Amino acid sequence: NAGVMQNPRHLVRRRGQEARLRCSPMKGHSHVYWYRQLPEEGLKFMVYLQKENIIDESGMPKERFSAEFPKEGPSILRIQQVVRGDSAAYFCASSPRTSEDTIYFGEGSWLTVV
Amino acid sequence: QKEVEQNSGPLSVPEGAIASLNCTYSDRGSQSFFWYRQYSGKSPELIMFIYSNGDKEDGRFTAQLNKASQYVSLLIRDSQPSDSATYLCAVNGANTGGFKTIFGAGTRLFVKA
Repeated sequence: NAGVMQNPRHLVRRRGQEARLRCSPMKGHSHVYWYRQLPEEGLKFMVYLQKENIIDESGMPKERFSAEFPKEGPSILRIQQVVRGDSAAYFCASSPRTSEDTIYFGEGSWLTVV
Repeated sequence: QKEVEQNSGPLSVPEGAIASLNCTYSDRGSQSFFWYRQYSGKSPELIMFIYSNGDKEDGRFTAQLNKASQYVSLLIRDSQPSDSATYLCAVNGANTGGFKTIFGAGTRLFVKA
């Protein structure tokens, strides 16, 4: 499967725990984007990364959220001390050579905070 | 003003009719424009992209772009019940540090059999 791979697909966390969401871009893609979608709402841009670099994190909440895309391995979106309002679908997308290219989405990770 | 605005709908059309979905954007520096379809509980899937003013056709879908009016539309001909979904308009434009794709809130389309 050459598509964008996300895991876990579903994650349940208690308030105060940490959530880690992983994303492997499509083969040959070097740009990764994370979006959040709250129930019945649109996709909100969170962060744009290239290997070992955060290009744009203007959509990331100032606290508790962080993202990385290491030289080796998947991109990781980390949410510390989760709260109920973090419950959402988190979509990763990737694009090929430039950020102007079309972005392709993974299947998403659904986070539920109880 | 939102960066990308869409009528949330729902838009309801009978089977076989033309569905017209509209979108406006605020950043005049935007370069690329996309339409995605999202079924409930699923991830967005790309339907079309358009870069130049005018029309672009792909099967039953036609995207229209007017950069002067900052307006993008999607026409779906011969609408089918399987077209019932949320349609997301997306715009990619220059921003400090590079380009990023911004999405509208989406328009819900219902095609009645």
